[in-house]
Amino acid sequence: AQSVTQLGSHVSVSEGALVLLRCNYSSSVPPYLFWYVQYPNQGLQLLLKYTSAATLVKGINGFEAEFKKSETSFHLTKPSAHMSDAAEYFCAVSERGSTLGRLYFGRGTQLTVWP
Amino acid sequence: SAVISQKPSRDICQRGTSLTIQCQVDSQVTMMFWYRQQPGQSLTLIATANQGSEATYESGFVIDKFPISRPNLTFSTLTVSNMSPEDSSIYLCSVIQDSGANVLTFGAGSRLTVL
Repeated sequence: AQSVTQLGSHVSVSEGALVLLRCNYSSSVPPYLFWYVQYPNQGLQLLLKYTSAATLVKGINGFEAEFKKSETSFHLTKPSAHMSDAAEYFCAVSERGSTLGRLYFGRGTQLTVWP
Repeated sequence: SAVISQKPSRDICQRGTSLTIQCQVDSQVTMMFWYRQQPGQSLTLIATANQGSEATYESGFVIDKFPISRPNLTFSTLTVSNMSPEDSSIYLCSVIQDSGANVLTFGAGSRLTVL
């Protein structure tokens, strides 16, 4: 089974600072990769996905992530944090050709943004 | 993408009792998925619910503990049976948003606390 590691269960940044949330996966074959965001009392919302096109993927709300095969990483970044970015972020992977609906998730990173 | 409603949003339950969680989708879907998020853990797929057939359970999950119904193409229920404190989790319903890349849409989840 896939293993997804999110380094840092909590990340705190000041408003306007760079956001960097780390994600590493275990597959030797590049999988599909996702970042989801969960705001309080809401469902998971897809931020962005990597499916095999450009390695730098742009998502909603100014977030982007870069797929690095050599590092088996898919780190999420945003140049300038906003208060509204405070939420929990989940990295997930799906093996290509895998059972539909089966995603492997990291444990999540809680992002706090200070004014 | 589909809109998913779950009930209850949260509940506090007594040990040994059972609780049924409902999931309603605003469009017809072939497959619905149930995930569990234990405190501090990643999301884990419990089972896939297909209309007209038995649910397919992931390793470590059994029908006696998590019976699932799928009476039509827009509705499913998950029952957590004979609950113990270890069942305290968020249970999430999801559907396929993009089958080509296994992208899922999630409901807001049902947070269960078992005393």
